[in-house]
Amino acid sequence: KNEVEQSPQNLTAQEGEFITINCSYSVGISALHWLQQHPGGGIVSLFMLSSGKKKHGRLIATINIQEKHSSLHITASHPRDSAVYICAVVIQGAQKLVFGQGTRLTINP
Amino acid sequence: NAGVTQTPKFRILKIGQSMTLQCTQDMNHNYMYWYRQDPGMGLKLIYYSVGAGITDKGEVPNGYNVSRSTTEDFPLRLELAAPSQTSVYFCASTAWGVTGELFFGEGSRLTVL
Repeated sequence: KNEVEQSPQNLTAQEGEFITINCSYSVGISALHWLQQHPGGGIVSLFMLSSGKKKHGRLIATINIQEKHSSLHITASHPRDSAVYICAVVIQGAQKLVFGQGTRLTINP
Repeated sequence: NAGVTQTPKFRILKIGQSMTLQCTQDMNHNYMYWYRQDPGMGLKLIYYSVGAGITDKGEVPNGYNVSRSTTEDFPLRLELAAPSQTSVYFCASTAWGVTGELFFGEGSRLTVL
């Protein structure tokens, strides 16, 4: 079993829908990253969080350390949100990232 | 501000050839990383560096070498290319390690035939 599991692996939705992408992990962590990989391949950082919740525009990330779970929410989704979303955890006590396999999101107009 | 620049973006190699993937960052970051991304898999760490002159192996270092002679540059060398090295390679940098914001290059797609 992978240390970091994302669900769903693929998600297709209509423009305007509320989107939730989940990340569960089985190891102790000190922080968690959410990344976005554009269709062209480039990767950009969305959030880094170690507790609670962060919001940036229409994106919201939450983490529950006790339950070893994080979610990325997108409100009022738009076709330009179509991308692969990647969760990566920072292993506790180590300068090491473990990446999930990514969730491919497609938003149809 | 260019951020992290990788070259080349695409390359096809024959088995046994060698090549270097270039990575440069202009943010004065100490930490730099090389990852490979295979279909359906999470990114895997090949090598990393915590500063000029210091490098260390990641999870999948076999078949690769790196150097870090300056803060800006972190080239990845593939010696004796093999089909198993067909992948997309990403260079990344951070100011203070993996608990800081990650900056990635655009990726280099390498095919070994």
